[in-house]
Amino acid sequence: KQEVTQIPAALSVPEGENLVLNCSFTDSAIYNLQWFRQDPGKGLTSLLLIQSSQREQTSGRLNASLDKSSGRSTLYIAASQPGDSATYLCAVRGNFNKFYFGSGTKLNVKP
Amino acid sequence: DAGVIQSPRHEVTEMGQEVTLRCKPISGHDYLFWYRQTMMRGLELLIYFNNNVPIDDSGMPEDRFSAKMPNASFSTLKIQPSEPRDSAVYFCASSLGLLAGGRGETQYFGPGTRLLVL
Repeated sequence: KQEVTQIPAALSVPEGENLVLNCSFTDSAIYNLQWFRQDPGKGLTSLLLIQSSQREQTSGRLNASLDKSSGRSTLYIAASQPGDSATYLCAVRGNFNKFYFGSGTKLNVKP
Repeated sequence: DAGVIQSPRHEVTEMGQEVTLRCKPISGHDYLFWYRQTMMRGLELLIYFNNNVPIDDSGMPEDRFSAKMPNASFSTLKIQPSEPRDSAVYFCASSLGLLAGGRGETQYFGPGTRLLVL
């Protein structure tokens, strides 16, 4: 069974710092990987979706990379802001359209 | 579009009672997903529909759980009878398709229903 792991579980950084969030998965047979943001008491908001044939996707200050062979993805956030504080989850779509989510990294960006 | 709409936002009920959660997906989206989120188990996919037809319900925990999608704009998740361990946040999400490519596969989540079973 696919397992998705996100390390660290929590991260605190000062405003303006560049940071990297990690996501690893055990089965490389995936169709795509998504990064989501979840604010307290709210639903998930999709940030970036990377198809299995792609290496990276960019949106504004966010850049997500995918290394399917090694089972890893990273979400890079440039020039972090307090408004970036949230929990970030990654999810993979595997065989038979199964979806697996990581437990998330809780990010706190200090002013 | 108003996004995915879920109701109620909060539900408190007693063990043994029937609970019905409701979802209205984004218009034009062919896929609808029901998830459950708890601190212990994280986010789990319960069931998803394609064009109102249930495709995969392997995540539904027990026979006490059932889901329906009578039309393209409405779905329900029912728990009967409810138990304290069902307490969680239940999310509904929708997407254009699973083979649409690119942003078409992005899932859009509703705000969730916070369920507490006493």
